[in-house]
Amino acid sequence: GQNIDQPTEMTATEGAIVQINCTYQTSGFNGLFWYQQHAGEAPTFLSYNVLDGLEEKGRFSSFLSRSKGYSYLLLKELQMKDSASYLCAAGAAGNKLTFGGGTRVLVKP
Amino acid sequence: SAVISQKPSRDICQRGTSLTIQCQVDSQVTMMFWYRQQPGQSLTLIATANQGSEATYESGFVIDKFPISRPNLTFSTLTVSNMSPEDSSIYLCSVEYLGGEQYFGPGTRLTVT
Repeated sequence: GQNIDQPTEMTATEGAIVQINCTYQTSGFNGLFWYQQHAGEAPTFLSYNVLDGLEEKGRFSSFLSRSKGYSYLLLKELQMKDSASYLCAAGAAGNKLTFGGGTRVLVKP
Repeated sequence: SAVISQKPSRDICQRGTSLTIQCQVDSQVTMMFWYRQQPGQSLTLIATANQGSEATYESGFVIDKFPISRPNLTFSTLTVSNMSPEDSSIYLCSVEYLGGEQYFGPGTRLTVT
């Protein structure tokens, strides 16, 4: 079976750092994806972690621990435009993605 | 990353009718997928569109309701058949690109009245 958990909502201040956690239980796990989705738009690819460790891409970083079934997305130097939903998805056999419910991040001035 | 387009971007349809959604990619890709995002929900995989063979459907989705075509490595269609208001959703195609990354098309917003 597949089970992906992430917080429903988080609020942070402009310029701050926010960490969105995701835990997963996935048969045939082969990688962890993070997407950003603004209201009314399609998801935008942020990261894909296959190996354990931290990957940094500018203000966004993603971490994976396969042994713990755990990932996080770190958003630094938050900007107002970062207000969006962030979707965690676990990849499995056949490259199929199972999505968590999404975390709505609200950035306040 | 691949450039992915979908047609139509949105439509309003009457119950009992069918709508075919097109997904076009600017480069050849092996794996294409169709997802649904119901209002206020996250994404759910409908099926994997395989080139040269029948699509592979996830639990809860059947070919009669969501027939899929994949005539070549750059194009796929999803048909939503005999629509009911419960089919009102955003339908998205995705492609797996080099390195395993998956990218989504802009989506088709369907409203069934």
